[in-house]
Amino acid sequence: DAGITQSPRHKVTETGTPVTLRCHQTENHRYMYWYRQDPGHGLRLIHYSYGVKDTDKGEVSDGYSVSRSKTEDFLLTLESATSSQTSVYFCAISDRTGYTEAFFGQGTRLTVV
Amino acid sequence: TQLLEQSPQFLSIQEGENLTVYCNSSSVFSSLQWYRQEPGEGPVLLVTVVTGGEVKKLKRLTFQFGDARKDSSLHITAAQPGDTGLYLCARVRTGNQFYFGTGTSLTVIP
Repeated sequence: DAGITQSPRHKVTETGTPVTLRCHQTENHRYMYWYRQDPGHGLRLIHYSYGVKDTDKGEVSDGYSVSRSKTEDFLLTLESATSSQTSVYFCAISDRTGYTEAFFGQGTRLTVV
Repeated sequence: TQLLEQSPQFLSIQEGENLTVYCNSSSVFSSLQWYRQEPGEGPVLLVTVVTGGEVKKLKRLTFQFGDARKDSSLHITAAQPGDTGLYLCARVRTGNQFYFGTGTSLTVIP
């Protein structure tokens, strides 16, 4: 199994509060991703990173920001959580380009009340 | 907007039955991947198809890439309870961006 750790695994927070989710990898992979998973939508890309300090937006980036100060860590921040951001969040990593593969963490279940 | 539409969204079948799920798009892809996600886990890659018309087999699972490289199907023969899960197709865009379909949730009843 790819060494990907997400923390926390579960979180309940109140509307309007800031929340940060952490993804830590031990594989030294270049690319890291944050997805959200909601019923009927599969996985939707929020943000991704192609190197330290290099990030870009995905399909559903509004309300989210990311940072990557080290190869191994990718942080997802909800500046002011809303109920629509209640979801399961997955971090993924990949390495080479071409016919590559995404390796996923076990997910973080976030509930905004 | 998700470019990959999967059907059906839900499927519940008896053990031993056959089934096919589909992944469709209006865009042409250089390759397409299928992942399976078990409850409480992240998705895991099953296969990558890269050539129009290509057929790949993984035990009881058969994957096909459409001739025009706009669609793909996954056929499971004699489904077993261990096949239960969410099946996701995905494309890899320039810059190593993985974009996933809407998913098919399969339940195989013993």
